[in-house]
Amino acid sequence: DVKVTQSSRYLVKRTGEKVFLECVQDMDHENMFWYRQDPGLGLRLIYFSYDVKMKEKGDIPEGYSVSREKKERFSLILESASTNQTSMYLCASSKWGTGDLNTEAFFGQGTRLTVV
Amino acid sequence: SQKIEQNSEALNIQEGKTATLTCNYTNYSPAYLQWYRQDPGRGPVFLLLIRENEKEKRKERLKVTFDTTLKQSLFHITASQPADSATYLCALDARPRGADGLTFGKGTHLIIQP
Repeated sequence: DVKVTQSSRYLVKRTGEKVFLECVQDMDHENMFWYRQDPGLGLRLIYFSYDVKMKEKGDIPEGYSVSREKKERFSLILESASTNQTSMYLCASSKWGTGDLNTEAFFGQGTRLTVV
Repeated sequence: SQKIEQNSEALNIQEGKTATLTCNYTNYSPAYLQWYRQDPGRGPVFLLLIRENEKEKRKERLKVTFDTTLKQSLFHITASQPADSATYLCALDARPRGADGLTFGKGTHLIIQP
């Protein structure tokens, strides 16, 4: 059974803390993504990566950074957590595709982060 | 600006009937469109993908249509069951390169009443 695993289901952090959210996939996928999901706003793409050490900004990268040192692992970093970063964070992976050969995304269970 | 719209209100359907969900988009030319199901507190799960040159795709009780002229996809669940209650998301590849992440609609909350 293919899997995307996020390190924590629930996390509570203080304002100003540096926060690491970890994601591991076991499908040998090239692409990995971080989204956040908020009521009324839906899923929004923060960062993505299509190869080791490669990263691209999504729609809302401000306040975040990422790291991809190994193919199976993609980390999201909140440099200095703020209350407006309280959200559900979802990691996803997909196989590399070009043009219309792209394939579906597999999501982790999500990490509900609360910044107090 | 680019936009994906799904029914923002919850959709209540009686068990056994067909549920039809709508996804409209503007200012995109997607190569394909995908539908996902999301249950509370969990990540989305892929259901179906339909390509721009396909009119219709079926999988068991699910059917998706894709009209690139109308810029619309319809998602149907036939013989609906209470277990089909969930939020359904449509997603487009809205970026120039195929692997750059999907853009999601906000989802439609479907409730199947016994």
